[in-house]
Parts: sequence; C-alpha cells; structure tokens
Amino acid sequence: AQTVTQSQPEMSVQEAETVTLSCTYDTSESDYYLFWYKQPPSRQMILVIRQEAYKQQNATENRFSVNFQKAAKSFSLKISDSQLGDAAMYFCAYSPIPTSGTYKYIFGTGTRLKVLA
Amino acid sequence: GAVVSQHPSWVICKSGTSVKIECRSLDFQATTMFWYRQFPKQSLMLMATSNEGSKATYEQGVEKDKFLINHASLTLSTLTVTSAHPEDSSFYICSVLAGAGRGTQYFGPGTRLTVL
Repeated sequence: AQTVTQSQPEMSVQEAETVTLSCTYDTSESDYYLFWYKQPPSRQMILVIRQEAYKQQNATENRFSVNFQKAAKSFSLKISDSQLGDAAMYFCAYSPIPTSGTYKYIFGTGTRLKVLA
Repeated sequence: GAVVSQHPSWVICKSGTSVKIECRSLDFQATTMFWYRQFPKQSLMLMATSNEGSKATYEQGVEKDKFLINHASLTLSTLTVTSAHPEDSSFYICSVLAGAGRGTQYFGPGTRLTVL
C-alpha cells in the first residue's frame, strides 16, 4: 500500500533561521507527484511546492525548496529565513499517476511548525 | 492556482436536520472535485471524488446515503449531510483538480459543521 510518513509531529525554528521538515513515502511506481501544503490557523490549505518524480532537479519556490531523493523515497521541505507567518501545519502529499480513474492524494499526518521570535 | 470558495464557512444545526455545503471553482472549470473531512489536529481524510455529470465515487467506509454529493456543473459541487448527528460534526474541505496532467489540487477554505 502507498503510504506517506511525516515522522516529526512538531518542529520549532528561530525566526530568520532554516528548518527542514521530513517526509518519506512508500510506492512501487516510478512516476508520480509530490506536494507540500501549508495549513495555517485559518485552516485554508495552501500549496507550497510541487515536485514531479521524473524530474531530478529539486523544486524551489522563493524561500521554500525540497530535497527529493527518489531512490530513498524521501521528500523533505527546507524553509529558509523563517518568518512568523510560516507557523502552520505542514502536510506532505503523494499522488500516483492513475492508469484509470482520477488523481488522488495520500497525505501524511502533518508536522506542526512553530516559529520563535 | 485555482480559486475555490465554500459556503457556508460555518454552520450549526440540530440533530436530524440536513445541511448542504457548496464548493465553487471561481476561475477554473473543474471536471473533478474532492471532498475531505478533517478532525482536530489530524490529517485530511478523503471522503469522495466528485465528477461533473456523473455519480460521485466514495471512499471505503463513507456512507453514500449519508453524504450526498452532486456535481451538476463544472464550477459547483455540493455535499449534503443528511439527518446530521453530533458525530458528523467536523471540518469539511473541498478541492478542485486543476488539470489532470499535473495532478495538483487547490483547496477551499473549509466549512465547520457543528451538530447539536
């Protein structure tokens, strides 16, 4: 079965510092998508970054970047220059490419990030 | 990304009544929408996949007669919680699949349902 594991229930980072959130997944597929979503206290799910498995280059979006290790099935999120507004729950999601039916996400359990002033 | 709205943002109802939640894709024609349920401090649980013009596909363990889904247009999907009970109280979130080739979902702001 395809699973997504976020082993860090909670992380803290000092403002302006860098933090890395871990995500591992289990799949036998060779092509798929991976995502990080942020859920702040408002509970609105916000797409942070997206990675296509066939692309070796790690995705980046401003202060957010990923370390995608396909062989290790690891997809960690690095947040640089952390800001108070980064405090949120972060969910890692895996989406296989369907041969039939439609795309579906498999979510991890989330990591709560606290940013300390 | 796609802009998704939900209405209402919160609702309180009495046990035994039905509640309808709307999910609208404001700037994108969504063939596929999803409905999730989220309990406090937990991850999102997929309830069903809503396909425009056809019956929804429900995940195992989700009562289709309890959670009625209608996707009558490319911009609107509705979730009706029938004969709601306190255990149905939860946060319900919808999402749209923005382009099957990319597999990306954009989420609505959610609806908090409280059943008294």
